[in-house]
Amino acid sequence: AQSVAQPEDQVNVAEGNPLTVKCTYSVSGNPYLFWYVQYPNRGLQFLLKYITGDNLVKGSYGFEAEFNKSQTSFHLKKPSALVSDSALYFCAVRDENDYKLSFGAGTTVTVRA
Amino acid sequence: KAGVTQTPRYLIKTRGQQVTLSCSPISGHRSVSWYQQTPGQGLQFLFEYFSETQRNKGNFPGRFSGRQFSNSRSEMNVSTLELGDSALYLCASSRGGDRASFGNTIYFGEGSWLTVV
Repeated sequence: AQSVAQPEDQVNVAEGNPLTVKCTYSVSGNPYLFWYVQYPNRGLQFLLKYITGDNLVKGSYGFEAEFNKSQTSFHLKKPSALVSDSALYFCAVRDENDYKLSFGAGTTVTVRA
Repeated sequence: KAGVTQTPRYLIKTRGQQVTLSCSPISGHRSVSWYQQTPGQGLQFLFEYFSETQRNKGNFPGRFSGRQFSNSRSEMNVSTLELGDSALYLCASSRGGDRASFGNTIYFGEGSWLTVV
């Protein structure tokens, strides 16, 4: 079985400040981890993924995420947030033995000017 | 190159009716999966197809069904619609294949908004 937890429903930051969105996961095998962003009335947009290798993954729009196997975490980060980063963010995991993605409940990010 | 295309984008149906949603994957992608998104339940997996075969199905009643065609295009059908079926239905595609390909990026379409009245 696989599952994802996003402990924060909302994250509020000021523009220019660092942004962190937390994610922890549970899988029985090796994890494939993904971050997606959803803007209002839109589908999911891929940001980045961790498959293997370097624990720090860089993705689109200046986002990065750090894989921590001992803490089973995959937190999304951006050094300097923009107002346009305000959206709903989803962490997802795929077990190496599963055909589906399991998503967290999502975290709403609001970046104030 | 074109992304995942879903039609229709918006539709309103009456309880008891049935609905068919369509999805065209990214060119070259052979795996298509469907997800339901609701405010209460979040994103839930419906089913996944590869080479016209359903490889996995989520925990949904038999009213939810799908299929994949030889050109990888997919449809999902919901029969005897209930108010609770109102949701955003998302289609996703990836290159697919065996478990070695599970790290492939999964790309989502814009979704089909279904309202049941």
